[in-house]
Order: sequence, then C-alpha cells, then structure tokens
Amino acid sequence: EDQVTQSPEALRLQEGESSSLNCSYTVSGLRGLFWYRQDPGKGPEFLFTLYSAGEEKEKERLKATLTKKESFLHITAPKPEDSATYLCAVQVVFSGGYNKLIFGAGTRLAVHP
Amino acid sequence: DAMVIQNPRYQVTQFGKPVTLSCSQTLNHNVMYWYQQKSSQAPKLLFHYYDKDFNNEADTPDNFQSRRPNTSFCFLDIRSPGLGDAAMYLCATSREGGTEAFFGQGTRLTVV
Repeated sequence: EDQVTQSPEALRLQEGESSSLNCSYTVSGLRGLFWYRQDPGKGPEFLFTLYSAGEEKEKERLKATLTKKESFLHITAPKPEDSATYLCAVQVVFSGGYNKLIFGAGTRLAVHP
Repeated sequence: DAMVIQNPRYQVTQFGKPVTLSCSQTLNHNVMYWYQQKSSQAPKLLFHYYDKDFNNEADTPDNFQSRRPNTSFCFLDIRSPGLGDAAMYLCATSREGGTEAFFGQGTRLTVV
C-alpha cells in the first residue's frame, strides 16, 4: 500500500535554531515528491517539487532534498513567520495511467522569538 | 491573483441537508482534485477528474458526488451530510504528467 509518513508530528524551535523535517515514503511508480506549506484555515501553498534521488531545491531559508526512500526539508535560521504545517506529498501512477497525490499528515512547526 | 477559487470559504449546513461546494480555476489545467482534510490529518483524496474522466477513490462514501461541467469548474455534492463530514474541503488542479498541484483556500464545512 502506498504510504507517506512525516516526522516529527510537531516541532518547536527558537528563532535561529536550524532543524530538519522528514518525509519517508513507500510507493510504487513515484512520479514526483512535493512539499507544501499550510497555514491554519488555508489551503496548502506549493513550495518544491523533487523528481529524482540526489535532487535539491532551495527557497530562502528552506532546502529540500530527496533520496530513494525519503525527503528532508531543512530550515536554516528560522523566523517566527516560518511557523506553519509542512506537508509532504508524493505523486504516483496507478492503473489506467492516472496520477494522484498522496499526502503525509504534516509536521506542525512553531518558531518562537 | 487567485488561480484556484473555492466558494464559499465557510459553509454551515444541517444534518442531512444536501450541500454543494464549488471550485473554479483560471489555470486551464486538465486535472482537478477534491480532498477532505480533518483537523491535524493528511488531506484525503476523494476523487479527481482527468479532463472529463472521473476517478473515484475506493473508500469515498457514496454520499459524495462530483460534477465537472467544463474545464474551469468542478463541484462537490454531499447528498446527506453527517456530523462526520465536517471538515475542510480542498480543491486542487494540475497539468498532467507529474507536475505540482495548486490548491484553493478551501471550504470549511460545519454540520449542525
């Protein structure tokens, strides 16, 4: 069964304290891995797409990396405005040639001044 | 400018009273998704359209239906909402072929 697991469930950081979020997956037919940010009461906002092991993407204080079984979202010197839930999703191909996104439950990040 | 628009943002409905949520997009994407997200849980795919082809997830209750009259619009119909259907409903679109999905702001459904 296709599955995406994120850890930790929640993370509390002091402003400036770097850390990493993990997304591990067991899927067949992986087409891509996506990271999203979700603020309370809002829809997910796209951050990164990763397609192959070894690939890295960066945006401001965020850097996403991908291996064959997991992805990491590294947050360098976070600020309070980085507080949000970070969702990982994998796009898989299933019968009929259709793609679908399977999400993890997310990591709730709180950055305190 | 908003590219995926969901209406309404908040919907309160009575137990058992049919309700329709709407989604429109200006991206001309051929794939549209409906997800259900409950508090602190992963978004759960209900169904999606690949152009006009409808794909229902095996565990989506029969109580949930969808319509896509054209490329730009998609509707989620809940025929007889129960208390357990209270959730955030998210619409998303993507181009085919492994590209990222773009989400609307969601509709928060409350069932009373």
